[in-house]
Amino acid sequence: GESVGLHLPTLSVQEGDNSIINCAYSNSASDYFIWYKQESGKGPQFIIDIRSNMDKRQGQRVTVLLNKTVKHLSLQIAATQPGDSAVYFCAERLTGGGNKLTFGTGTQLKVEL
Amino acid sequence: GAGVSQSPSNKVTEKGKDVELRCDPISGHTALYWYRQSLGQGLEFLIYFQGNSAPDKSGLPSDRFSAERTGGSVSTLTIQRTQQEDSAVYLCASSLVSQGRTDTQYFGPGTRLTVL
Repeated sequence: GESVGLHLPTLSVQEGDNSIINCAYSNSASDYFIWYKQESGKGPQFIIDIRSNMDKRQGQRVTVLLNKTVKHLSLQIAATQPGDSAVYFCAERLTGGGNKLTFGTGTQLKVEL
Repeated sequence: GAGVSQSPSNKVTEKGKDVELRCDPISGHTALYWYRQSLGQGLEFLIYFQGNSAPDKSGLPSDRFSAERTGGSVSTLTIQRTQQEDSAVYLCASSLVSQGRTDTQYFGPGTRLTVL
């Protein structure tokens, strides 16, 4: 089981480089996926979402890729900035399960100057 | 416009006491959700309200936890006889649901509950 103070996976990147954060989701029946960014002491902030009938979606500096074959989701951040430092969570919604989301454990992104 | 607000931002209580946490959703949002986030963990779904439908309580960890939503707006999450394992950040989110299409959940800043 989990323990208090569990360390999150950490990704360290240099400012200006591209970041790729990966997520393996659990249920092949999930139809909707979201990436959230959470800064220390704040609630999660929506970044980008994608529905299961798509495999790629782009936003401003961010791209989400969905591979349903291997149940894998990734978030790509272009030209990473210090303000991108945060914990990033992927979340999935199960088809027919209402709108509740199941979240992954998160990845800590650290941007080094 | 105003986002989701929660109060209090921090709550320290003694084991065995009851606590109430409040959530004010974004005006006009018909769906409201409660999640719990333990230290260094992802978010755990607790309960979901959608319009006048019966809430989805499938995530509540025990019968000490309950929530209500009055007038389709403000919600209160109540934890009775708090235990130390209830210590966590309790997050509320709301979304606009229209024509069966579910929109993005927007989160509040959370209430950090510490049970001594």
